[in-house]
Amino acid sequence: AQTVTQSQPEMSVQEAETVTLSCTYDTSESDYYLFWYKQPPSRQMILVIRQEAYKQQNATENRFSVNFQKAAKSFSLKISDSQLGDAAMYFCAYGGGGTYKYIFGTGTRLKVLA
Amino acid sequence: NAGVMQNPRHLVRRRGQEARLRCSPMKGHSHVYWYRQLPEEGLKFMVYLQKENIIDESGMPKERFSAEFPKEGPSILRIQQVVRGDSAAYFCASSKTGGAEDTQYFGPGTRLTVL
Repeated sequence: AQTVTQSQPEMSVQEAETVTLSCTYDTSESDYYLFWYKQPPSRQMILVIRQEAYKQQNATENRFSVNFQKAAKSFSLKISDSQLGDAAMYFCAYGGGGTYKYIFGTGTRLKVLA
Repeated sequence: NAGVMQNPRHLVRRRGQEARLRCSPMKGHSHVYWYRQLPEEGLKFMVYLQKENIIDESGMPKERFSAEFPKEGPSILRIQQVVRGDSAAYFCASSKTGGAEDTQYFGPGTRLTVL
């Protein structure tokens, strides 16, 4: 069974600085997808970034980028030039690999300090 | 293009009452997924439906919970005789094809509080 682990319950970053959130996963599948979702206080789940496992190139979306290490089963999220609006819970999720169920980690609460 | 709609956003029920949660998928999406988020936890899969069909309900408790996605209208997650442990945020997601490569887009969730 697939699992997703986020080992950092909480992280803090100064405004305008860079922060990296960690995520590891376990699967025996070779074809799958990885996601980072942001959950602000409104509780809405917002897709931040998606990575296809068959792509070696790391996905980027503006200030958000990932470091995808397939062999190590690691999928970290880097947020550059952090803004106050980035403060939220961030969830790493696994999808595909023979299942349509997304498997979520327990989340990392990101605080952005002014 | 409207996103996934869920209503109500907040629902308060007393123990023993019924809760009905509604989800309208994104336009053009015919696959719906329900997830539950307990306090301080990640989302957990409950059920996957296509129009008029339940594809996988392996994550849904066997008793008191049911889901449907009729030919017309929204998907409904129904919880009968609610208990305090049902208090959680319930999220609906939708996708276009249901394939593994298809991203699921989430609604704003319904926060259920059982008194």
